[in-house]
Amino acid sequence: NAGVTQTPKFQVLKTGQSMTLQCAQDMNHEYMSWYRQDPGMGLRLIHYSVGAGITDQGEVPNGYNVSRSTTEDFPLRLLSAAPSQTSVYFCASSYDYSGSGEQFFGPGTRLTVL
Amino acid sequence: GNSVTQMEGPVTLSEEAFLTINCTYTATGYPSLFWYVQYPGEGLQLLLKATKADDKGSNKGFEATYRKETTSFHLEKGSVQVSDSAVYFCALKVTGGGNKLTFGTGTQLKVEL
Repeated sequence: NAGVTQTPKFQVLKTGQSMTLQCAQDMNHEYMSWYRQDPGMGLRLIHYSVGAGITDQGEVPNGYNVSRSTTEDFPLRLLSAAPSQTSVYFCASSYDYSGSGEQFFGPGTRLTVL
Repeated sequence: GNSVTQMEGPVTLSEEAFLTINCTYTATGYPSLFWYVQYPGEGLQLLLKATKADDKGSNKGFEATYRKETTSFHLEKGSVQVSDSAVYFCALKVTGGGNKLTFGTGTQLKVEL
């Protein structure tokens, strides 16, 4: 199993550009989520999904969109990038929504917005 | 609301030293508690967990005990190695909150020879 994969690993955008961060998992996990990691702030939940076709907002959803058309994929879209979105983004998955809390994380995407 | 407070880093230790990283929490209800570890250039991975008061989680020589009376979940290891150098995150999940985790800010550990 590849586990949770994320692409790209690094990205530089200009203010106002849009892009999609890709996330895929091959463990047949129902629950997937996106976090951003900023210095001194730990990880904060952006959006999450409890299954295909179902998504919901986390703690810091503004400026981001998600969709979940398949169990495997959970892309994160930045509609109009802003410097405040410079961060490291992690995708995570777990077996189910009401499970043990153990989540499996991807290696991250480091995004810089100029 | 829910929150997790960790000691500030970085923590720098010599190999074979004793490690403690403090973690305290505030939560509604009865949370499950976790320690995640992030090695350089990698994503987070679960190190250990405890789901109820007085439970002790352990893995790879690390231990943490769920102390409800002090709302704490301090991470300890008796003898650290250079390979333990990483960032350690304390986290909680409340019952009925699905799989949503609330993380602390992370504590960087550097172990030197």
